[in-house]
Amino acid sequence: GEQVEQLPSILRVQEGSSASINCSYEDSASNYFPWYKQEPGENPKLIIDIRSNMERKQIQELIVLLDKKAKRFSLHITDTQPGDSAMYFCAATGANTGKLTFGHGTILRVHP
Amino acid sequence: EAGVTQSPRYAVLQEGQAVSFWCDPISGHDTLYWYQQPRDQGPQLLVYFRDEAVIDNSQLPSDRFSAVRPKGTNSTLKIQSAKQGDTATYLCASSTGTANERLFFGHGTKLSVL
Repeated sequence: GEQVEQLPSILRVQEGSSASINCSYEDSASNYFPWYKQEPGENPKLIIDIRSNMERKQIQELIVLLDKKAKRFSLHITDTQPGDSAMYFCAATGANTGKLTFGHGTILRVHP
Repeated sequence: EAGVTQSPRYAVLQEGQAVSFWCDPISGHDTLYWYQQPRDQGPQLLVYFRDEAVIDNSQLPSDRFSAVRPKGTNSTLKIQSAKQGDTATYLCASSTGTANERLFFGHGTKLSVL
C-alpha cells in the first residue's frame, strides 16, 4: 500500500518567518494530496489540498507544491503566527484504492 | 450542517475489557472511515465502508477488533479484549465517496487502556 514520509517531525520558527514541511510518497498513481492541521484535543481539519493536475496552489499564507516526477509535495507557511502552532499532517490518496494515507506529522512551534 | 458525531469522547478500560465506539457521519456521505491515532502520530486507517459494505479492513486486527455499518449510515467499532497498545484516539471520518474527496473528521474517542 501507499507509504507517506513526512519531515521534519518538529519545526521551531520565529514569528513572521516561513515554515516548510516536506512529504514523499511511493505510489505514482496517487493523485490527491491534502494537508491537515490538528490542534491539541481537536480533530484534524483540512487546510489546503492539491490534485495531481496541478503543481502549485496557494490559499492566503499557505502554499503547496507538488513534484509528481520526484513523488514529493510540500507545505509552506509564509509569515507564520503563533496561531499556526499545531500538528500538521500530509496525506496521499491512491487513485486505485481511494484510501487516504497520512504522514507521521510535524509539530510546528511558532515563537514570538 | 452537522458534522461527524462520535461517542463517547473518552473511555478508560482495564486490559481485557471490551469497548464500543459509535459514529454518525455527515448526512449523505456514503463513505465512512475509522482511523486509529496514537499520541503524537498520524492517523492510521483501520477500516472503511462504502454504504454498508467493507471496502478495506486489511489493517483491522481481526482477532479483537470489529466494525459494522449495517444500514450504511451509523457505524460501530468494537474492541473485544483491549490491550495497553490500543491506547489511542479513534477517529471517524466521512466523505461523499467519489475519488479524492475531502474527509471530514469527528472529534474522536480517546481510549486509555490501563
